[in-house]
Amino acid sequence: NAGVTQTPKFQVLKTGQSMTLQCAQDMNHNSMYWYRQDPGMGLRLIYYSASEGTTDKGEVPNGYNVSRLNKREFSLRLESAAPSQTSVYFCASRGLSSGNTIYFGEGSWLTVV
Amino acid sequence: KNQVEQSPQSLIILEGKNCTLQCNYTVSPFSNLRWYKQDTGRGPVSLTIMTFSENTKSNGRYTATLDADTKQSSLHITASQLSDSASYICVVSAWDSSYKLIFGSGTRLLVRP
Repeated sequence: NAGVTQTPKFQVLKTGQSMTLQCAQDMNHNSMYWYRQDPGMGLRLIYYSASEGTTDKGEVPNGYNVSRLNKREFSLRLESAAPSQTSVYFCASRGLSSGNTIYFGEGSWLTVV
Repeated sequence: KNQVEQSPQSLIILEGKNCTLQCNYTVSPFSNLRWYKQDTGRGPVSLTIMTFSENTKSNGRYTATLDADTKQSSLHITASQLSDSASYICVVSAWDSSYKLIFGSGTRLLVRP
């Protein structure tokens, strides 16, 4: 039982490059989220998907796009990376089957130079 | 503005000692409060979740309390172990948008032998 799996674990990008962070969950959860975590700050919501086929902006969506490919997968895309997007990114999922507990992936460390 | 504040920012204790971490929030209308443990380089892992009607919940050596009147919560760790060294994050959700969570910036706990 893998839970929430996100890839890649580490990535270095040059300013202006694009990349996609992948996330998959095997718990049949309806809701999925992307957060970023910066030093000294709480996790901040980038985008979320309350159910398959829907996505909504969170607190800090600028510079990002998402795709809820199916119920399992929720990807985060940086179209033109900027140094301000250097951060640790966490994917998470939530569902009634898990008593509303939110499960997080292991994180993706992204550095934009 | 919905906010979650945690104290202390960091804490060092000796193995075997007890400690208490604090969380104050101004989230309204309140839905639930969660405590997460985040090991260095890992994703957050759920410890407890409490709703408005619950004022205490335990998970092994971890005991969380909630005072909805004063909007305060605490996480008490008993007989600390080296493996308790981590960041502890308080997370509050509002009733009208429970999928949007407000994260505290965490308390970094170091347990020394």
